[in-house]
Amino acid sequence: EPEVTQTPSHQVTQMGQEVILRCVPISNHLYFYWYRQILGQKVEFLVSFYNNEISEKSEIFDDQFSVERPDGSNFTLKIRSTKLEDSAMYFCASTGTGVGEQYFGPGTRLTVT
Amino acid sequence: QKEVEQDPGPLSVPEGAIVSLNCTYSNSAFQYFMWYRQYSRKGPELLMYTYSSGNKEDGRFTAQVDKSSKYISLFIRDSQPSDSATYLCALGETSYDKVIFGPGTSLSVIP
Repeated sequence: EPEVTQTPSHQVTQMGQEVILRCVPISNHLYFYWYRQILGQKVEFLVSFYNNEISEKSEIFDDQFSVERPDGSNFTLKIRSTKLEDSAMYFCASTGTGVGEQYFGPGTRLTVT
Repeated sequence: QKEVEQDPGPLSVPEGAIVSLNCTYSNSAFQYFMWYRQYSRKGPELLMYTYSSGNKEDGRFTAQVDKSSKYISLFIRDSQPSDSATYLCALGETSYDKVIFGPGTSLSVIP
């Protein structure tokens, strides 16, 4: 069964460092998303991406964040200068055209020290 | 009023019980309704997906949507210890829109 994959599963970084979180969405899906979940809190939307551009972004997704689809399979989230409060689980999700349901990856746990 | 609300629990039931999990929402523009199961420190796993009001059944799971009351439910029949997890409702306005999650209900099924 097709699934969304994410790497790495756990990333530890120092405050101020850049991190890139990687995702491989389901192959025939066209809409891609990043969400995050701070420990003990609900899953929050960050950004949606379609046709090689951002469709929508939340207030959380400030200038420190960027997304890219560098090739036909990968979808990345970059945080330019990490802060302590960026520590969270980051989930990638994807959906097909006109379908509606979103499939989530296993997540990357980002720890900023 | 929060956009999507769920009773956080924890909810503890004996094995074999019928479980009822609920969400209420305030935005009448939501048209797509999903239930996810999340184990600790794992990604949300899609359980059920419905569009518009009505019932949908899949094995031991039944999803129910009442748009007039802005109320959705997930029923789990013959609950198993492996059903112990946090259950998240998620709602979207269009088929490609972001989804808005509820805070989740923690469920424990006791053998």
